[in-house]
Amino acid sequence: DIVMTQSPESLAVSLGERATINCKSSQSVLKRSNNKNYLAWYQQKPGQPPKLLIYWASTRESGVPERFSGSGSGTDFTLTISSLQAEDVAVYYCQQYYSTVYTFGQGTKLEIK
Amino acid sequence: EVLLVESGGGLVQPGGSLRLSCAASGFTFGSYSMNWVRQAPGKGLEWLSYISGSGGSYYADSVKGRFTISRDNAKNSLYLQINSLRAEDTAVYFCVREGDGGSYSVYWGQGTLVTVSS
Repeated sequence: DIVMTQSPESLAVSLGERATINCKSSQSVLKRSNNKNYLAWYQQKPGQPPKLLIYWASTRESGVPERFSGSGSGTDFTLTISSLQAEDVAVYYCQQYYSTVYTFGQGTKLEIK
Repeated sequence: EVLLVESGGGLVQPGGSLRLSCAASGFTFGSYSMNWVRQAPGKGLEWLSYISGSGGSYYADSVKGRFTISRDNAKNSLYLQINSLRAEDTAVYFCVREGDGGSYSVYWGQGTLVTVSS
């Protein structure tokens, strides 16, 4: 199975500052036939189900604020929040859907400094 | 509006069985692949199983042989049969619909809590 490793496990950022979360896969999730990275990012707030933010590593889901962006290819990916807002406090997960066994990263808890 | 409503959770003794259901509405159910994902208390997300619109399925190694995913497209329903329950199966179980263009998880239910305890 593909192992997804996120870093850091927790992160404290000041309001208005940039937050960066990393995700590394144990093997490439880039499919050469369509040049797409099978990587998604989710946000989960307490007591709620996860919410899709980013898919294909960099495509923002409809309705997701522009301050959220995804980048990377192959095995190394990044979720960036350009200017942290109070409502962004949450746990963030990456997930690969490249193989028939989908796997999540362990999560990154984002807090306000 | 897409709606996914899970049911069937509850308190069950170790070794017991449970069948979770997910009622889907707001979309053509048979046209979409579906998944089950769980989250133990205070822990991260764990993908469990996938089923295509026509019934092909995959499982996480951790549940293969004990969990069975199925669907009834006529009833717009997804199921997860869980056997030989263990304490570590205690979690909220989410029903998830995939996207229009790929296997990312767009729509999530609110989840149903399964507690395994004697």
